[in-house]
Amino acid sequence: KAGVTQTPRYLIKTRGQQVTLSCSPISGHRSVSWYQQTPGQGLQFLFEYFSETQRNKGNFPGRFSGRQFSNSRSEMNVSTLELGDSALYLCASSRSGEPYEQYFGPGTRLTVT
Amino acid sequence: GENVEQHPSTLSVQEGDSAVIKCTYSDSASNYFPWYKQELGKRPQLIIDIRSNVGEKKDQRIAVTLNKTAKHFSLHITETQPEDSAVYFCAATPNSGYSTLTFGKGTMLLVSP
Repeated sequence: KAGVTQTPRYLIKTRGQQVTLSCSPISGHRSVSWYQQTPGQGLQFLFEYFSETQRNKGNFPGRFSGRQFSNSRSEMNVSTLELGDSALYLCASSRSGEPYEQYFGPGTRLTVT
Repeated sequence: GENVEQHPSTLSVQEGDSAVIKCTYSDSASNYFPWYKQELGKRPQLIIDIRSNVGEKKDQRIAVTLNKTAKHFSLHITETQPEDSAVYFCAATPNSGYSTLTFGKGTMLLVSP
């Protein structure tokens, strides 16, 4: 079974721009969660999607948004980028809405200059 | 919301020694506790998990214990090897039916030959 994939793997953007990141879950997994990883804050939960619905959201500003498609693929968008948005963005998929094992993708390294 | 504290932040051991990493959580409703290993430049990998109806779980050289009363859980690695060197994260998921992980800050384990 193929693992979780994320595209692009690396991205360099300028302050004020927007960015869209993509995540394809493991086949059969319907839940996709997004996390931001930084050296200072560690791994922080952004949001979770299940069956195209956002079910939970972390403590991030409204500039961070996401969506999920009918094939369970998910995208997250960050508008009006700030320097502090530089981070590794990880998505994780799991089978269903219950606390099942979550498997992470390789991440997208976003650098904002 | 849930808060997870993890100690120590760094741990150095000699090859063959045991390593113990401890975490505490705040939300008594949390019922799923995974541990992830992240090597440099790689994605977090699930290495073991435990649910609240179990007190201990073992998988070869790795074991996890859970004390629900005290709200703490620990990772035990025996007969450590240099390839065990990585950052280890504990996490907790509340009993909300959502796939949301609250992570500890991580422990950098260094195993010296």
